[in-house]
Amino acid sequence: QSVLTQPPSASGTPGQWVTISCSGTKSNIGSNTVNWYQHVPGTSPKLVIYANAERPSGVPERFSGSKSGTSASLTIRGLQSEDEADYFCAAWDDSLQGGVFGGGTKVTVL
Amino acid sequence: QIQLVQSGPDVKKPGASVKVSCKASGYYFTDHSITWVRQAPGQGLEWMGWVRSNYGNTRFGLGQRFQGRLTLTSDTSTNTSYMELSSLTSEDTAVYYCARGGAWDAFDVWGQGTFVTVSS
Repeated sequence: QSVLTQPPSASGTPGQWVTISCSGTKSNIGSNTVNWYQHVPGTSPKLVIYANAERPSGVPERFSGSKSGTSASLTIRGLQSEDEADYFCAAWDDSLQGGVFGGGTKVTVL
Repeated sequence: QIQLVQSGPDVKKPGASVKVSCKASGYYFTDHSITWVRQAPGQGLEWMGWVRSNYGNTRFGLGQRFQGRLTLTSDTSTNTSYMELSSLTSEDTAVYYCARGGAWDAFDVWGQGTFVTVSS
């Protein structure tokens, strides 16, 4: 059971928007920033959003993030076939004194 | 270019220990901590702990998830971080990743992963 809660799956056709939610508590998302990772099975995870809404160099502008209270979300605007992957949210947890991940959301491009 | 290169896959028997290496290049090793994350088959990512590359301080979290079985070390002479897990069980079968960053950091560089199989 993951500390952060994500929906197991999301899907859309090319060009559509997809939003993935990540729910936590005041000890993790409520107190610290959220990062998002894209993971294509068989490869290494890739950072796509850090500090809630910042995009690393090289990550397409269609990826955006937001945070409000104890929840965060990742939005892919204009879904493309190469976006098909698992997406994980992550944050530091002050109570556990450790990092925590969401269970992951599998994004399928129909 | 900045990269983390991990040791190759390993197969261990239950009760044994495994040590995975993570060699950094392309940046100042002591400027960044290394975090270890694992993913069991069909499961999500699991945070294991992190080690400060300069002083070797470690943090595993209060949950004692690995109950003293986990050792994280750092060798500044070779720019290499190590993860050792002892008293292995089949539940430790997973891909183990090292990633640049610690604590509240975002993990911006990842190793290629090391698949550890625990089987009798």
